[in-house]
Amino acid sequence: QQQVKQSPQSLIVQKGGISIINCAYENTAFDYFPWYQQFPGKGPALLIAIRPDVSEKKEGRFTISFNKSAKQFSLHIMDSQPGDSATYFCAASGLTGNTPLVFGKGTRLSVIA
Amino acid sequence: GAVVSQHPSWVICKSGTSVKIECRSLDFQATTMFWYRQFPKQSLMLMATSNEGSKATYEQGVEKDKFLINHASLTLSTLTVTSAHPEDSSFYICSVKSAGTETQYFGPGTRLLVL
Repeated sequence: QQQVKQSPQSLIVQKGGISIINCAYENTAFDYFPWYQQFPGKGPALLIAIRPDVSEKKEGRFTISFNKSAKQFSLHIMDSQPGDSATYFCAASGLTGNTPLVFGKGTRLSVIA
Repeated sequence: GAVVSQHPSWVICKSGTSVKIECRSLDFQATTMFWYRQFPKQSLMLMATSNEGSKATYEQGVEKDKFLINHASLTLSTLTVTSAHPEDSSFYICSVKSAGTETQYFGPGTRLLVL
């Protein structure tokens, strides 16, 4: 059972455009939602994360929007650059104990000039 | 964030041999370490969770006798793939987490190819 659904599977965006990736979760016990960026042959790197007590978090060109009632959250990449081309994973977990992250299936982003 | 290293970064071995992968937390007390495997163009699949000084907890379908995990200290965990077979070829990634925090930091991964 996939607990975090991510879309789209792949995305092509023009340089300078906005990349939007969406995720939806089912488990209401989740209360930590990070996004990871992974380049080919590398491990995932934490990009930005949010908790449900805020609806939006922005760090540079990256913004997470969070809708608790809809159980959805999304990543927006403003002014997308070719260097942003990578695979992005959303994830979710509970805060208590050693709850592991549950990952979405990933979105392959290609930013073309 | 934490700096996590893995060694080796890639390894090629013959079928039937055992391979040990190390995961080190260089500047971070990793009370919990996670091991994942990732097939090409797929997401990360959690294999096991280990707490320092305790036995690892394996996910359903992961053979604990085949994938031996040791988390002997707050800075080191090892994954040993015993009697490796070609289907074990994959990208193995560890991550670390400290007690009371939610952030997981990932290592750079180890590419295993079993011939």
